[in-house]
Amino acid sequence: RKEVEQDPGPFNVPEGATVAFNCTYSNSASQSFFWYRQDCRKEPKLLMSVYSSGNEDGRFTAQLNRASQYISLLIRDSKLSDSATYLCVVNIFYSGGGADGLTFGKGTHLIIQP
Amino acid sequence: NAGVTQTPKFQVLKTGQSMTLQCAQDMNHEYMSWYRQDPGMGLRLIHYSVGAGITDQGEVPNGYNVSRSTTEDFPLRLLSAAPSQTSVYFCASKSGGGTEAFFGQGTRLTVV
Repeated sequence: RKEVEQDPGPFNVPEGATVAFNCTYSNSASQSFFWYRQDCRKEPKLLMSVYSSGNEDGRFTAQLNRASQYISLLIRDSKLSDSATYLCVVNIFYSGGGADGLTFGKGTHLIIQP
Repeated sequence: NAGVTQTPKFQVLKTGQSMTLQCAQDMNHEYMSWYRQDPGMGLRLIHYSVGAGITDQGEVPNGYNVSRSTTEDFPLRLLSAAPSQTSVYFCASKSGGGTEAFFGQGTRLTVV
């Protein structure tokens, strides 16, 4: 089983619609969670961190379900500029100075259509 | 405010050649890592470092070497380039404890 799994899409969504996608992770020791955005041929950039209580940043809402080990991202009132690949990222933090690595999903490709 | 700087942005190598991809960060981050990104494969970790003088292998380390002599620099060396190493390479850095990772702009490498 892959450590972080995402539906690769593409999700074709009309402008103004709401779109949601999920990500599942396999390691229950995962402690930090993020959504990154990657535009074509560019580097990934942090979109938002994901907190246990859920969090919102403008049109974007992230949720974490630790019991079921999944993370979700909801985009409301989608814009053409939201077209990108969205990467689900989990981090395992080991105490004592061990490895502290980010594990990336393969990404979900979102296309907003006019 | 440079962040993470990668050079070169583009490179074409012949099979068997060696080269070094440079990565430097000015944020005093302990953690640095190299990823490669191939179509349909996502980001795969090549090597990482948790501090100066400490490096370790990631998921796909074969054919690559790294060193971390300073906090700022984390070069990636291709020992003998192969066509299978054609990819986009990203360097990233972050501080400890699950914080945001900052990426360089990437190096597009083609091995012919």
